[in-house]
Amino acid sequence: QSVLTQPPSVSGAPGQRVTFSCTGSSSNIGAGFGVHWYQQLPGTAPKLLIYGDTNRPSGVPDRFSGSKSGTSASLAITGLQAEDEADYYCQSYDSSLSGYVFGTGTKVTVL
Amino acid sequence: QVQLQESGPRLVKPSETLSLTCAVSGYSISSGYYWEWIRQPPGKGLEWIGSIYHSGSTYYNPSLKSRVTISLDMSKNQFSLRLSSVTAADTAVYYCARGDSDNWNSLDYWGQGTLVTVSS
Repeated sequence: QSVLTQPPSVSGAPGQRVTFSCTGSSSNIGAGFGVHWYQQLPGTAPKLLIYGDTNRPSGVPDRFSGSKSGTSASLAITGLQAEDEADYYCQSYDSSLSGYVFGTGTKVTVL
Repeated sequence: QVQLQESGPRLVKPSETLSLTCAVSGYSISSGYYWEWIRQPPGKGLEWIGSIYHSGSTYYNPSLKSRVTISLDMSKNQFSLRLSSVTAADTAVYYCARGDSDNWNSLDYWGQGTLVTVSS
C-alpha cells in the first residue's frame, strides 16, 4: 500500500558516499509536506535521523543529510561507516489518504 | 529523557481484539504532542496505524479505521491501542511513538516494540 517508493538496497565501501531516493506524488512530498527519515538497526526500533526534509536532531552525525525536490526526497550518507548498515525509511503525510505514510525502505550495506 | 514502553498480550486469537498500552515517562501526555502507533510485520516495512492528540482528537489509517481505537489515560500517563477482528495479517511488531507537532509530526521518541502474534 506504500505510496512512497524507495530502492530496495544500496551499498558502498567504507568512507564512500551513498544517496538514495524517496519518490512520492503531488498528494504527499510534492504538496510540501515535511519528509522525515528513520534509521532502523537490526532488531531495534526506528530512530529519527532527519525531520522536516533537511533537519538533524541533536546527536545525529552531520554525515547524514536530507534534501527534497519536487515529488522526491533524498538521504545522503557521507563517509560511510560499518555502523551505518541498517534499514532506512522515509515518511510523510498524504492528503489523499488523510494519513501518514512510510516509504518501502532501503537496506544499506557496507561492503 | 522521554521513554515509551509497550505492554500487552503477545498472542491473540483470530477474530479477537488486540489491546496494547504504551506507558510514557519523562513527559506528561496531557501537555502536548501526538501519541502514535506504528506496526511492522516480520521482515516487512513500517505501517502507520494512527495517532491521538493530547486534546483527544484521533486520526487513523484509512485501511484500518473501521477496526482501530486509540485512547488516552491521563491519570496513568499512558495511551492505548485496540484493534478488533484480527487476522494473521495483523501479526507484527507494534511500536508506540511520540509525534512532534512542532516539527511536522516527526516521530522523535519510540518504544522498543512488542511482537504480537495472531494465531489460534
